Amino acid sequence: GQQVMQIPQYQHVQEGEDFTTYCNSSTTLSNIQWYKQRPGGHPVFLIQLVKSGEVKKQKRLTFQFGEAKKNSSLHITATQTTDVGTYFCAAPGSGGYNKLIFGAGTRLAVHP
Amino acid sequence: NAGVTQTPKFQVLKTGQSMTLQCAQDMNHEYMSWYRQDPGMGLRLIHYSVGAGITDQGEVPNGYNVSRSTTEDFPLRLLSAAPSQTSVYFCASRPDGGLYNEQFFGPGTRLTVL
Repeated sequence: GQQVMQIPQYQHVQEGEDFTTYCNSSTTLSNIQWYKQRPGGHPVFLIQLVKSGEVKKQKRLTFQFGEAKKNSSLHITATQTTDVGTYFCAAPGSGGYNKLIFGAGTRLAVHP
Repeated sequence: NAGVTQTPKFQVLKTGQSMTLQCAQDMNHEYMSWYRQDPGMGLRLIHYSVGAGITDQGEVPNGYNVSRSTTEDFPLRLLSAAPSQTSVYFCASRPDGGLYNEQFFGPGTRLTVL
């Protein structure tokens, strides 16, 4: 079935360093969502990207959707300890909007 | 609004036991879903519902049943628990319709099957 591959699996950074996670699909995606899950918590929606080449910013977070709509990235500038958690991308599967497929997630650790 | 609520928070079962995980939302969302989360595997869709009386299977439906008799509630039933069902279960909801489909997740139920 359709898969959304996410890399890296883990990332350790010093506070103040940048961080990027990537999400790739072999098929064209209609849209892609990003979620953040704090340790012991539940996923929380961050953003949805729909248009080819779309770039959206939320404070220190920058989200991009590739021109071919097959990949996406989340970049965090100058990480803080509050950024700790697992970041997931998610996209509609072959079953459409009702069947969201999640990437395996990138776990971010930030050392002060 | 309480958002999406789940009970219980933790549960330990023996192999072969049955139980129901409860999920409720007070946002009048049409779409509700159940996911399981296992280490290193992200979230996998078990079942979903697009409205009262309508349910369908996700990626990993085997061993689970659902029903949707009201807009608010979407319980998940484990018929005969197996150790492979040890996982964290999340319920989620979203308003239906359109391209924009942000999901709101409940706090989760951590299930251990011995």
